[in-house]
Amino acid sequence: DVKVTQSSRYLVKRTGEKVFLECVQDMDHENMFWYRQDPGLGLRLIYFSYDVKMKEKGDIPEGYSVSREKKERFSLILESASTNQTSMYLCASSLAGNYEQYFGPGTRLTVT
Amino acid sequence: QKEVEQNSGPLSVPEGAIASLNCTYSDRGSQSFFWYRQYSGKSPELIMFIYSNGDKEDGRFTAQLNKASQYVSLLIRDSQPSDSATYLCAVYGYSGAGSYQLTFGKGTKLSVIP
Repeated sequence: DVKVTQSSRYLVKRTGEKVFLECVQDMDHENMFWYRQDPGLGLRLIYFSYDVKMKEKGDIPEGYSVSREKKERFSLILESASTNQTSMYLCASSLAGNYEQYFGPGTRLTVT
Repeated sequence: QKEVEQNSGPLSVPEGAIASLNCTYSDRGSQSFFWYRQYSGKSPELIMFIYSNGDKEDGRFTAQLNKASQYVSLLIRDSQPSDSATYLCAVYGYSGAGSYQLTFGKGTKLSVIP
C-alpha cells in the first residue's frame, strides 16, 4: 500500500512565523504535490514536483515555496504565515507517467 | 481556466438504492478522470479511475465516461450508510501553463439513509 505521511495533523502558528510542512512517501514515487482545501473552494494545487530539486507552480503558489532535496520528501514553506493561509494542507504522490494520486492524512493549519 | 463542476448536494438516498453522482468538465482535451471519496475530517481516497469512453465497474462502483458530452459519473449500487461521504471528481489535463495537472471539483456530499 502507498503510504504518504505528513509531519503534523494539527498546527497552530502566529502571523508572520515561518512554517514548514513536511511530507514523506515510502513508495518511490517521482511526483509529489501540495494542495490546500477550503470549504466552498475545494482542493487547489499549490506546488508540485516531478523530480528531486525540481518544482512547478500550481494554481495558487503566492505566499508559499517548496523544497525537494530527496525523492521521498517534499516540504511546503510558508515564508511569513498570514491568517488567510489557515486551511487544510494535503500532500499527495504518484508514479511518473501515472495520474493516480495518493493523499496523506492532511495538516490542519491555523494561523492566529 | 479549466473547470470541473459537481452538484454540491447533499444527495440523500435510502440504504440499498443506487446513488448517482455527476461531474462535467470544460476542457475537451482532458485525458483521465478520477473519483475520490472523502470522509469528514479525512483526506481524499482514490476509489475509481477511467480513461476511455464507456463504463468501468469495480464491485459496487461503476464509473461512466462520455467525452463527447464532457461528462463523467459514478454509480454506487446497493448504497450503504458507510458510503456517506463527499465524492470528489478530478480531471487530468493540460493546465494551460506548460504542465499537466489534476483539477478537482468541489465535491458532492452523499448521505445514505438507513
